[in-house]
Amino acid sequence: DIQMTQSPSSLSASVGDRVTITCRASQGIRSDLGWYQQKPGKAPKRLIYAASSLQSGVPSRFSGSGSGTEFTLTISSLQPEDSATYYCLQHNSYPLGTFGPGTKVDIK
Amino acid sequence: EVQLVQSGAEVKKPGESLKISCKGSGYDFTSYWIGWVRQMPGKGLEWMGIIFPGDSDTRYSPSFQGQVTISADKSISTAYLQWTSLKASDTAMYYCARHVDMDPWGQGTLVTVSS
Repeated sequence: DIQMTQSPSSLSASVGDRVTITCRASQGIRSDLGWYQQKPGKAPKRLIYAASSLQSGVPSRFSGSGSGTEFTLTISSLQPEDSATYYCLQHNSYPLGTFGPGTKVDIK
Repeated sequence: EVQLVQSGAEVKKPGESLKISCKGSGYDFTSYWIGWVRQMPGKGLEWMGIIFPGDSDTRYSPSFQGQVTISADKSISTAYLQWTSLKASDTAMYYCARHVDMDPWGQGTLVTVSS
């Protein structure tokens, strides 16, 4: 089974800060990874697919990079509405998948 | 617009059975996998299993194999998640999502199991 880790588990940053979240896979998964944002009481929403492609309608301050075993989600200029928990999901083990444990982002 | 609409919240007692649903619209339901995800209170997302409605090919995460059953009725574009004997530990929000890369998602179904 492919295991996913995320770091950090939580962070607190100021509006305008650059924020980076890392996701690591226990084995190579090519670019078969997405990033999801979940706000309290809401369903998750996909931000990035195929590791680096921006979902339509998602602000351009969000970006993804990486391939193989290490991936990053970057928010270039943190906004108040970005307070949420972020998850990565690998689907290289098609059609099975594994989520990362999540990173909670708070605004200072 | 591609949309998944889930059935409403449920309150059940331990030992009862339950079947919740996820109806797809706006796309060819038979051509995309539908996955199910559990989120226990205050916890992260857990990938449970997935079904291909076109031929009912179903796969489960090892953690959920034997604990739940995933099915689909392609004639009404609906996928299901069911339990034969609920436990208090099944209390959670359950989401469906389209395809292996999970987009879009249903709104979620809250299942509460309490005596």
